[in-house]
Amino acid sequence: DVKVTQSSRYLVKRTGEKVFLECVQDMDHENMFWYRQDPGLGLRLIYFSYDVKMKEKGDIPEGYSVSREKKERFSLILESASTNQTSMYLCASSPPGQYYGYTFGSGTRLTVV
Amino acid sequence: QQQVKQSPQSLIVQKGGISIINCAYENTAFDYFPWYQQFPGKGPALLIAIRPDVSEKKEGRFTISFNKSAKQFSLHIMDSQPGDSATYFCAAHASGGSYIPTFGRGTSLIVHP
Repeated sequence: DVKVTQSSRYLVKRTGEKVFLECVQDMDHENMFWYRQDPGLGLRLIYFSYDVKMKEKGDIPEGYSVSREKKERFSLILESASTNQTSMYLCASSPPGQYYGYTFGSGTRLTVV
Repeated sequence: QQQVKQSPQSLIVQKGGISIINCAYENTAFDYFPWYQQFPGKGPALLIAIRPDVSEKKEGRFTISFNKSAKQFSLHIMDSQPGDSATYFCAAHASGGSYIPTFGRGTSLIVHP
């Protein structure tokens, strides 16, 4: 069974802290994505990557950066966490050139206090 | 600009009833329309999907109806069960694009016993 694993289910951080959210997939997928999910706003794309060391901005990249040093791992970085970044963060992956292999992780609920 | 509009935002149905969630899109390049189901504490998972060359697709109690001329598609859940209580997202893809789906904002469905 294919899997996208997010390292933390719940995370509480202080304002101004640097935060790392980790995502690992075991499907050998080229494409990986980071979304945030907020009530009433749905899923909003933060960053995505089509290959190792490659990254592209999504719809809401401000305040975030990403790192992809290995094919299976995609990290989301909050350089200086703020309270408006309190949200559910979802990682997803998919094989290249396909719609239907889109697989999500279980999410990390981040609270910034 | 919201390219896929989903309604209603929330829905309460009695057990055994029919749940209907609607989505409308604007981009005529969209050619794949999946629905995702998300249970609390989990990431979204692909439920059912349709291509515009058919008007309906059924899988068990779940049916997608597609109206290409109106640029609308809907999810029907027949004989709704409490276990169907979840958040549902519609999405749309364009094969000539980046293969990144455009999501609706989600519908929270509660099925009362």
